[in-house]
Amino acid sequence: AQTVTQSQPEMSVQEAETVTLSCTYDTSESDYYLFWYKQPPSRQMILVIRQEAYKQQNATENRFSVNFQKAAKSFSLKISDSQLGDAAMYFCAYRRYNQGGKLIFGQGTELSVKP
Amino acid sequence: GAVVSQHPSRVICKSGTSVKIECRSLDFQATTMFWYRQFPKKSLMLMATSNEGSKATYEQGVEKDKFLINHASLTLSTLTVTSAHPEDSSFYICSAGESGRRLDTQYFGPGTRLTVL
Repeated sequence: AQTVTQSQPEMSVQEAETVTLSCTYDTSESDYYLFWYKQPPSRQMILVIRQEAYKQQNATENRFSVNFQKAAKSFSLKISDSQLGDAAMYFCAYRRYNQGGKLIFGQGTELSVKP
Repeated sequence: GAVVSQHPSRVICKSGTSVKIECRSLDFQATTMFWYRQFPKKSLMLMATSNEGSKATYEQGVEKDKFLINHASLTLSTLTVTSAHPEDSSFYICSAGESGRRLDTQYFGPGTRLTVL
């Protein structure tokens, strides 16, 4: 069975600084998707970034980028120029390529941003 | 982007009663919807996969008779918590993928907070 592990329950970053959130996963599949979701206090899940396993190039969305290491099964999220609005729970998630959208989530990392 | 709504946003009920939560895709058709449960400061736990026009697929350990799921149309799935008890109190979230797009992206509803007294 696939598992997703986030080993950092809490992280803190100074405003305008950079922070990296860690995620590792376990799978025997070769084709899959990886995601980072943000859940602010409103509890609304927001997609931050997505990575297809077959793509070697790391995904980037504005201030958010990932370091995808397929062999190591690692998928970290880097947030640059952190803003107060980045404070939230961040969840790493995995989905098999052809499993109809079913997501497996990590435990989450609570990110706080200090002004 | 695609919008998924949930109703109600929060509900308080007495122990032993049943509660229905609706999940709607507002501007797209969703063949498949997913129901998650989330405890405070915890991750999302998939409860079941709701398929339009067929029976839902439940995850291991989820009671089918307690959490009834109906997906009668391409824009609506409902979760009914039957004979609710205080331990059913939680935050319930649905998500939907747009039909015909390999469900690449899941759109999440805003969630429903259920409190059972």
